[in-house]
Amino acid sequence: EVQLVESGGGLVQPGGSLRLSCAASGFTFSSSDMSWVRQAPGKGLEWVSSISDSGISRFYADSVRGRFTISRDNSKNRLYLQLNSLRAEDAAVYYCARHWDVWGKGTTVTVSS
Amino acid sequence: QSVLTQPPSASGTPGQRVIISCSGSSSNIGRRTVHWFQQVPGTAPKFLLTTNYQRPSGVPDRFSGSRSGTSASLAISGLQSEDEADYYCATWDDSLNGHVFGTGTKVTVL
Repeated sequence: EVQLVESGGGLVQPGGSLRLSCAASGFTFSSSDMSWVRQAPGKGLEWVSSISDSGISRFYADSVRGRFTISRDNSKNRLYLQLNSLRAEDAAVYYCARHWDVWGKGTTVTVSS
Repeated sequence: QSVLTQPPSASGTPGQRVIISCSGSSSNIGRRTVHWFQQVPGTAPKFLLTTNYQRPSGVPDRFSGSRSGTSASLAISGLQSEDEADYYCATWDDSLNGHVFGTGTKVTVL
């Protein structure tokens, strides 16, 4: 079964850090471009970051550039998102997605003191 | 604020045809393929189709997409109660050098 499972969300204070992980299974992960998309409570979908299949090319939304880092480990079929200098407005459900036909169920990030 | 604009809401009775628009610009829809997603509140988005490409298996053929100039549309024919959800368009933007999602449209089945 083709599947993506996110983990690593939680409660963090403003200015803190978190590392999200996305475990892929059921498809050739190393041949797939991947992305992180987030959704704040009651809001629409917002693209966060993308990475090419090889990991060479990485792209970021202006709202997270310089604070978030996307990476992948093709040997482990894992996608990551390192979140640093977190702000209240980063609170959201974070989804990982294989462009664009497979999505995980999401992991929730809460930023609060 | 998204660069892709959708109407906030659309509605229809069962069996009707509903069309959702997605307005962009020459740096995105004008030169890139457009993807459409369905999201039932509280669940993850579901990929529906990419304009001008075949629908994935499992997506009913009552969903269809089109693009003209800098706008795209999603049509739902034969509207059913289970189609009540939020719908988003998305594409790549060459000026922003990133993906962009539309503002989203809530479809209500009356």
